[in-house]
Parts: sequence; C-alpha cells; structure tokens
Amino acid sequence: SAVISQKPSRDICQRGTSLTIQCQVDSQVTMMFWYRQQPGQSLTLIATANQGSEATYESGFVIDKFPISRPNLTFSTLTVSNMSPEDSSIYLCSGGMGNTEAFFGQGTRLTVV
Amino acid sequence: EDQVTQSPEALRLQEGESSSLNCSYTVSGLRGLFWYRQDPGKGPEFLFTLYSAGEEKEKERLKATLTKKESFLHITAPKPEDSATYLCAVAFNNNDMRFGAGTRLTVKP
Repeated sequence: SAVISQKPSRDICQRGTSLTIQCQVDSQVTMMFWYRQQPGQSLTLIATANQGSEATYESGFVIDKFPISRPNLTFSTLTVSNMSPEDSSIYLCSGGMGNTEAFFGQGTRLTVV
Repeated sequence: EDQVTQSPEALRLQEGESSSLNCSYTVSGLRGLFWYRQDPGKGPEFLFTLYSAGEEKEKERLKATLTKKESFLHITAPKPEDSATYLCAVAFNNNDMRFGAGTRLTVKP
C-alpha cells in the first residue's frame, strides 16, 4: 500500500487569495486524483492528474480555478485560485495505478472567510 | 449514464446485529470496485478491491461480494468501533472513477 502525505491539513484563507495543496506519495503511482468533499457528503472528483500530461477536469471544474501540477510520479499540487466562501470544503488527493485501489491523503480542510 | 448508488444512506445497528450495505453501479467497462471506510475528519481508508462477479473478500467482521450489477458489504456482529461512513467506488473505462454517496453506519453498544 502507498502512504500519501497531504499538506496543509487545514487553513483559513481570505477571499480572493489562492492556496496550494501538496500531496507526496511514498511510492510511484500512475494516477493521482483530486477530490472535494463537503461535510457529510461523498467525494466529488475535481480532476485526474497523470505525470507528463495535462490534468483532465470533470464537468464543473476548470483549470483556471483549480490548476494542477504533476511534475513526477510521486508528487502533485492543487491550487484553489481566487477563493470565495463557496470554496470552503475538504480537499483530498489520492494515488493509484489505474484499476487498483487508490490510497488517500488525510485531506485539507479549507475555510474561506 | 455512469452511476454508483449506495443504500441505505444511513444505518443504525445494535452491537452484534449483522446487516449489509449495498452498492449498485451502472458503468461500462468495469475495471474494479473498491470499498473504503471513512472516519470523521479523515481521508478514506482502503478496505477491499473486487474485480469480477462472484469474487469475495473478507477482513475481520467485514465481507465484500460482487455481482455484475452490485456489491454488498456484509457486517457480521458489528461493534461500536465499526461506526463510520462506508464508501464504494468504481473504476471503469481507462481512468474514470466514481464514488457513491456513502452509507453512514452507527453501531450502538
């Protein structure tokens, strides 16, 4: 199994600013995913990030708002840009090898004020 | 449309009262079905992967089964520490993955 370290674990940010969330995996993974989870809700996929290619965004999410980097097989970042209170949520990253299980970071609890 | 549906939304059991959680899916090109446990304030914790109909996996009080249309997570003689949200996810096509909404399980002593 892979261990994923995600940081920051939580942050309180001013509206209009940006926050970059980092995920480090202790082994190489083909695919990394970024999710958003509202309290009491399930996970909503934001985008899939594969090393060496542009991230693939789900409907309702755009690169200008959520730029993603994937410089190598063990690391990825998600930036939440020009934040508003509606962006307050838990953001989770996960890593996997396609049709095998994906392992999750502990999440970043973001509050925008 | 590709969908993953979990039921019930919430389940309250007495300690020792066995039950099952359901995950039904309508996707093309299933590559794997996964069960996760999520405790409040934490990321999902991987439990099982099932790849083909008829497959079963067990871990302590949990057993996961898979058919062509659904998966069940059976909980035998649950304990209060089994209380959590249980999520299923389906990997399909090349890189697609979808999560169900989860079942919030509460086990009372």
